[in-house]
Amino acid sequence: KNQVEQSPQSLIILEGKNCTLQCNYTVSPFSNLRWYKQDTGRGPVSLTIMTFSENTKSNGRYTATLDADTKQSSLHITASQLSDSASYICVVSATGRGGADGLTFGKGTHLIIQP
Amino acid sequence: DGGITQSPKYLFRKEGQNVTLSCEQNLNHDAMYWYRQDPGQGLRLIYYSQIVNDFQKGDIAEGYSVSREKKESFPLTVTSAQKNPTAFYLCASISQGGTDYGYTFGSGTRLTVV
Repeated sequence: KNQVEQSPQSLIILEGKNCTLQCNYTVSPFSNLRWYKQDTGRGPVSLTIMTFSENTKSNGRYTATLDADTKQSSLHITASQLSDSASYICVVSATGRGGADGLTFGKGTHLIIQP
Repeated sequence: DGGITQSPKYLFRKEGQNVTLSCEQNLNHDAMYWYRQDPGQGLRLIYYSQIVNDFQKGDIAEGYSVSREKKESFPLTVTSAQKNPTAFYLCASISQGGTDYGYTFGSGTRLTVV
């Protein structure tokens, strides 16, 4: 069964500090992995998308890494800001299954940035 | 600006009542989807449609119904058969083919049973 596990479930850090969120998956065959940011009461917004051949991708202060061998991804946030407080969702897509029925969602990491 | 519009933002349903959530997109995307989000859980697929006049059940379709009469619109009806409808509902769309880079979510509708 395809699964996506995220850790930690929740995280509290001080403003200006760095943090790393983890995503482990068992989706096969793998197509791509995405990280989304979801503010409370809003829809998810895409941060990065990575395919099998990509190891690192950055989007401003967000840097995602992918190790396809160990089936792990991380999202590193540098110099955190209060606006980074949100849930971060890892989504893995399986090859050969079109549309949303090929997507497996993690439960998300709830990040709180304290001043 | 192109995007997905969900309405209303908040919706209250009485016991035994059907309610319809609206989802409209002007991205010219072929495929549209409905997800349900509960606290502490990942998004779960309710229904999806890859072309007009065709739609498929997702993992938790019981108690829900959809229609896709126009490419731009994919309304979701929560029927009285759905016994626990209180949740946050998200609509999404995607351009068919390629690597799914055009996957976009709406801002959500929070449904509460009163």
